[in-house]
Amino acid sequence: EVQLVESGGGLVQPGGSLRLSCAASGFTFSSYWMSWVRQAPGKGLEWVANIKQDGSEQHYVDSVKGRFTISRDNAKNSQFLQMKSLRADDTAVYYCARVMDGSRWPNHPFDYWGLGTLVTVSS
Amino acid sequence: DIVMTQSPDSLAVSLGERATINCKSSQTVLFSSNNRNYLAWYQQKPGQPPKLLISWASTRESGVPDRFSGSGSGTDFTLTISSLQAEDVAVYYCQQYYGAPPRTFGQGTKVEVK
Repeated sequence: EVQLVESGGGLVQPGGSLRLSCAASGFTFSSYWMSWVRQAPGKGLEWVANIKQDGSEQHYVDSVKGRFTISRDNAKNSQFLQMKSLRADDTAVYYCARVMDGSRWPNHPFDYWGLGTLVTVSS
Repeated sequence: DIVMTQSPDSLAVSLGERATINCKSSQTVLFSSNNRNYLAWYQQKPGQPPKLLISWASTRESGVPDRFSGSGSGTDFTLTISSLQAEDVAVYYCQQYYGAPPRTFGQGTKVEVK
């Protein structure tokens, strides 16, 4: 059974940093693109970043470029989101999601999602 | 970036009646080389993560009831729930995965029972 479990969320002050983790199980982690998707309270879904199977390629939404870094450790079946210079509008539930299909290209939907971890940026 | 716009923002449908949600992309998500539409639909119930319902605009995922169907091509798409059940109350999102990132979602459509 595919499982994605996020951790690392919490309350952080504006300008602070936080590192999210996603532990994957039930599939060959190293074969899939992975992503982070966030959802502000009461709002819609926003894709944040994705990372290629071997970590050699990453993409980000414009609003987090230069502040967030996505990475992965295939030996530990985990991906991470390092967040710096956090702002109030980064407050959201952050979901770890798998890109379907295991293709070399990330042009597939998200077929599995974790339950999410809440990040609150507030003083 | 491709902008996804859903309509309506919310709708209330009687149990057993049809629910129709529209999604329009600001540019085509149809890849001419393989004639596939890079469009997915998700269902999100309160307190839960999204669930993939339909990929490639019309391919129902395993285990998804056949009352859910997707249609459309190019820039205009529709998710139809043929006979609304109580458990279908949720927010529904379309999402494009065409070309290079970013991946973008519609703003969501809330479906309620009338």
